[in-house]
Amino acid sequence: DGGITQSPKYLFRKEGQNVTLSCEQNLNHDAMYWYRQDPGQGLRLIYYSQIVNDFQKGDIAEGYSVSREKKESFPLTVTSAQKNPTAFYLCASSIAGPPPFNEQFFGPGTRLTVL
Amino acid sequence: ELKVEQNPLFLSMQEGKNYTIYCNYSTTSDRLYWYRQDPGKSLESLFVLLSNGAVKQEGRLMASLDTKARLSTLHITAAVHDLSATYFCAVVIPAGGTSYGKLTFGQGTILTVHP
Repeated sequence: DGGITQSPKYLFRKEGQNVTLSCEQNLNHDAMYWYRQDPGQGLRLIYYSQIVNDFQKGDIAEGYSVSREKKESFPLTVTSAQKNPTAFYLCASSIAGPPPFNEQFFGPGTRLTVL
Repeated sequence: ELKVEQNPLFLSMQEGKNYTIYCNYSTTSDRLYWYRQDPGKSLESLFVLLSNGAVKQEGRLMASLDTKARLSTLHITAAVHDLSATYFCAVVIPAGGTSYGKLTFGQGTILTVHP
């Protein structure tokens, strides 16, 4: 069954801790993305990766880091430098190619709360 | 900088009524998406609009795109309670000339359908 999985579903972080959110896809997609959603707002792009071992900053990358060591995996680390990390985090992936084939598909999300 | 604005942000409708959600964007784009999000859930893709004058329909929802006016509409016909959700439009500007693109989201329209 192909899809995108994110874990954990809920995550609690203490002040000053780094935490890592997992995103895995078995769709053989080249590109992967991380978005942040705050209550009552749309999604904002944190980082994206078009190929293995390469990634680019999105609109709100400060306080976050990523890696892309495998095509299937794109973990996001929320560092202690991120001052307001409480949010809903969504991972997405897409293939390379012309629209509409490069449509992004979203995972179920991780809700991060800072205690 | 690409800006995407939706209106209204909140929409309370009676069952059986018709209404339209508007999505304006500020720069040229090669595609526009509409998504649905239920509370606490991920995004579900509704429509991909690729060209000027594109119109797509699924059930009680119909989306259209006017690239000259930089405007998309999502029309709801004879609303039912099951349509209650948050609806987002998202616009793509190709990233670095590639076909991957970065999604920029509107703020979302919270739709509530009352009996």
